[in-house]
Amino acid sequence: DGGITQSPKYLFRKEGQNVTLSCEQNLNHDAMYWYRQDPGQGLRLIYYSQIVNDFQKGDIAEGYSVSREKKESFPLTVTSAQKNPTAFYLCASSPTPGNSPLHFGNGTRLTVT
Amino acid sequence: GENVEQHPSTLSVQEGDSAVIKCTYSDSASNYFPWYKQELGKRPQLIIDIRSNVGEKKDQRIAVTLNKTAKHFSLHITETQPEDSAVYFCAARRVNNDMRFGAGTRLTVKP
Repeated sequence: DGGITQSPKYLFRKEGQNVTLSCEQNLNHDAMYWYRQDPGQGLRLIYYSQIVNDFQKGDIAEGYSVSREKKESFPLTVTSAQKNPTAFYLCASSPTPGNSPLHFGNGTRLTVT
Repeated sequence: GENVEQHPSTLSVQEGDSAVIKCTYSDSASNYFPWYKQELGKRPQLIIDIRSNVGEKKDQRIAVTLNKTAKHFSLHITETQPEDSAVYFCAARRVNNDMRFGAGTRLTVKP
């Protein structure tokens, strides 16, 4: 059954700790994305990757880091430098070239206290 | 980078009426424009999309129009039903594959 898996669904951390959100896809898609969604707001692009070992910053990359060592995996690390990390994080993937839709995972809700 | 603006932010219609949501984009090189529907606590789901070489596309009660010259595109929902109530997002994708979203429209269909 093909799809995108994000884990965990809910994540709680103390302020000052780094935390890594997992995103795995078995759709054989080249491109992968991370978005942040705050209550009542749209999706803001954090990072995206078009191919293994390559990624680009989106609009709100500060305080986040990513890696793309495998085609199937695109983990996102929320560092202690991120001032307001509590949010809903969505991972997505798509085939390339660019005229194809994104397929989203179910999201991870991160709460930092 | 690409900037996508979406209006209105909230829209309330009576069941059976039509709903229209409008978006503008800034990068004339953008070539793909999807629309997503998101229900509370769930992931966005694609409902319709349009590519830059097409002016209009329709799928049952949903249609999307694209005006490349003016750099705007719109979602039209006819004969609205209560189950159409959700948040709708437009997006624009550039040739380098980055995808930017509008801020969303909360549609409420009153029975």
